[in-house]
Amino acid sequence: GIQVEQSPPDLILQEGANSTLRCNFSDSVNNLQWFHQNPWGQLINLFYIPSGTKQNGRLSATTVATERYSLLYISSSQTTDSGVYFCAGEETSGSRLTFGEGTQLTVNP
Amino acid sequence: DTAVSQTPKYLVTQMGNDKSIKCEQNLGHDTMYWYKQDSKKFLKIMFSYNNKELIINETVPNRFSPKSPDKAHLNLHINSLELGDSAVYFCASSQGLVVVDSRAEAFFGQGTRLTVV
Repeated sequence: GIQVEQSPPDLILQEGANSTLRCNFSDSVNNLQWFHQNPWGQLINLFYIPSGTKQNGRLSATTVATERYSLLYISSSQTTDSGVYFCAGEETSGSRLTFGEGTQLTVNP
Repeated sequence: DTAVSQTPKYLVTQMGNDKSIKCEQNLGHDTMYWYKQDSKKFLKIMFSYNNKELIINETVPNRFSPKSPDKAHLNLHINSLELGDSAVYFCASSQGLVVVDSRAEAFFGQGTRLTVV
């Protein structure tokens, strides 16, 4: 199966700062998603982004499928952005999402 | 109007007991999954079902038995619970199986925190 590597593993920011999270894949993926796991444990869909760039408010994501990586940008971070950010890819054989180990983000007031 | 719902949210039980977690999705998806999140937050696939048929069994002990009565439901039954089974279990669904557009987007339930004492 594919390997998914996320960086950095931990990130501490002051409110208002910007950040970039990265996700590398060992092989091509059909589908790619970013999730936010909030402090209550819920997995919230951020982006479905197998290729290209998308924006949603202060968050945006870019996937370069040919180079097997994806980036998640968080601008003007807020304390409510705290939690774990996961990327996950579906192998070309389908039928499962493989997750990275996540980036633990802490935004301090 | 929850898309993927799991019950119960919390489950505390003694070693050796048998328990079930229920999952239902109202998205009309064909594919459903069970994932396990360990204490280090790592999420790993356990099972994948497509139209009620088992597609993936990711070397999960046979004490874990998923059951899909219809494509909107995928329940997880666990026999003879062990301390190491303590984790958060997530159900998910997607249109799945080599669909390469936004229908493949997976949605997760709120998780079931299982604690075995």
